[in-house]
Amino acid sequence: QSVLTQPPSVSAAPGQKVTISCSGSSSNIGTSSVSWYQQLPGTAPKLLIFENNKRPSGIPDRFSGSKSGTSATLGITGLQTGDEADYYCGTWDSSLSAVVFGGGTKLTVL
Amino acid sequence: EVQLVQSGAEVKKPGESLRISCKGSGYSFTSYWVSWVRQMPGKGLEWMGTIDPADSYTSYSPSFQGHVTISADKSISTAYLQWSSLKASDTAMYYCARHVVPTEDYWGQGTLVTVSS
Repeated sequence: QSVLTQPPSVSAAPGQKVTISCSGSSSNIGTSSVSWYQQLPGTAPKLLIFENNKRPSGIPDRFSGSKSGTSATLGITGLQTGDEADYYCGTWDSSLSAVVFGGGTKLTVL
Repeated sequence: EVQLVQSGAEVKKPGESLRISCKGSGYSFTSYWVSWVRQMPGKGLEWMGTIDPADSYTSYSPSFQGHVTISADKSISTAYLQWSSLKASDTAMYYCARHVVPTEDYWGQGTLVTVSS
C-alpha cells in the first residue's frame, strides 16, 4: 500500500489529453512539492515535473503539473504512442522523514 | 552531462553479502545527495534512503533501516548500497538517483539483483 494514491491505469486515444491524479495527506503533498516521473518499459525512471509544475530542460510542454491542497495532477496533451509508460508521483513525507512515491499509473495510448 | 553509472547485474545465493555501486560524473559529486530506490518485479518505486557524499551522513526510510547500508567514497565519486545477508525477497532492480529534496533529478540505469538458491 503506497502512501500516495494513483489510479492503476488510464487510457486515451492518440492526440487526446489525459490527466493522472495523485492523492496524499497533510504530511506529504500538503507540505512539500510534488515531482512526476516517467518510466518507459524496460528503462529507468526519468524526471518529468519537479516543484509541482516545473519541467526540466528537454521535457516538452505537452507535460504539465499542478497541485492543490493534498492532491496533485499530471496532464499530458497531444498523446503519442511513445508516451505509453508508467507514471509515478513523489514527494517528501515529514512524518516518515522519507521520500514517498505513488503506486504508479500505467498509461495506454489506444 | 550529468551521469550516474551503476555496476552490473548480480546473481547471489541467500545469506551472501553484496555491494553495488553508482558512479557520478558531470557534476560536483559532493554537492548533491545520492538516493537508492528499489523496484521489485512488476511493482512500483520504493525509496530506500539517501547519503550526503560530502560527509557520508545517511538517512534511511523506516522500511529499510537496518536491512541495508548506504555509503560513499567521495574520492572516486561513487555511492554504494550494501547487504550483509541477502534474502530471496531482495530480488529487485535497484536504482541510484541524484537527490535534490524532494526530487530525484537524474537516475542511474539500474542494477538487477537476483537472489536464488
